[in-house]
Amino acid sequence: QPVLTQSSSASASLGSSVKLTCTLSSGHSSYIIAWHQQQPGKAPRYLMKVEGSGSYSKGSGLPDRFAGSSSGADRYLTISDLQSEDEADYYCEAWDTNTRVFGGGTKVTVL
Amino acid sequence: EEQLVESGGDLVQPGGSLRLSCAASGFMFSSFGMSWVRQAPGKGLQWVSSIGSGGTTTYYADSVKGRFTIFRDNSKNTLYLLMNTLRVEDTAVYYCAKLTAGGTAYWGQGTLVTVSS
Repeated sequence: QPVLTQSSSASASLGSSVKLTCTLSSGHSSYIIAWHQQQPGKAPRYLMKVEGSGSYSKGSGLPDRFAGSSSGADRYLTISDLQSEDEADYYCEAWDTNTRVFGGGTKVTVL
Repeated sequence: EEQLVESGGDLVQPGGSLRLSCAASGFMFSSFGMSWVRQAPGKGLQWVSSIGSGGTTTYYADSVKGRFTIFRDNSKNTLYLLMNTLRVEDTAVYYCAKLTAGGTAYWGQGTLVTVSS
């Protein structure tokens, strides 16, 4: 089964950009992943799926400030024009025929 | 509007049992696979179990295999998780989630299960 690795934290200033990375384990570099956002005290929210080709498909209502991309085994989530409400934990998810896995999450702080 | 509403979370003693429910609305429930995902206090997300749209195909994380059972009633648009032989480490918020080809596409608001003596 795939293993997903995320940095534990990231920070950026209000109005700037931040790029989060989710790395797939060896042998799983072609996998599609999904990104989820969890604001403090709330349930997770689906953001988008990102394919190995780099194409991504966003969930409904997600602002254009959110974008996905890919390079090799890395899947990225870029948030532009950071807002205070973007301060949250971000998780990536991958799945196999009989299992699903989540990365450890990246806590984003807006300075 | 899509909605997933979990219920059934409670305080239970180690070794006890609990049944969680998830009422779905706003989408064709019988056409989608569903999952349960949990989050221990202060921790990350952990997949627990998934079930196919028809209810015949089920999958479990190793940590709950043999103790938890996922099932669904498509006539009632409801997903269930029967949890037996509960352990302290099963303490978490349990989320019901809708699956698509693009991953976990929609989450419920969660229900808290506390296992403690």
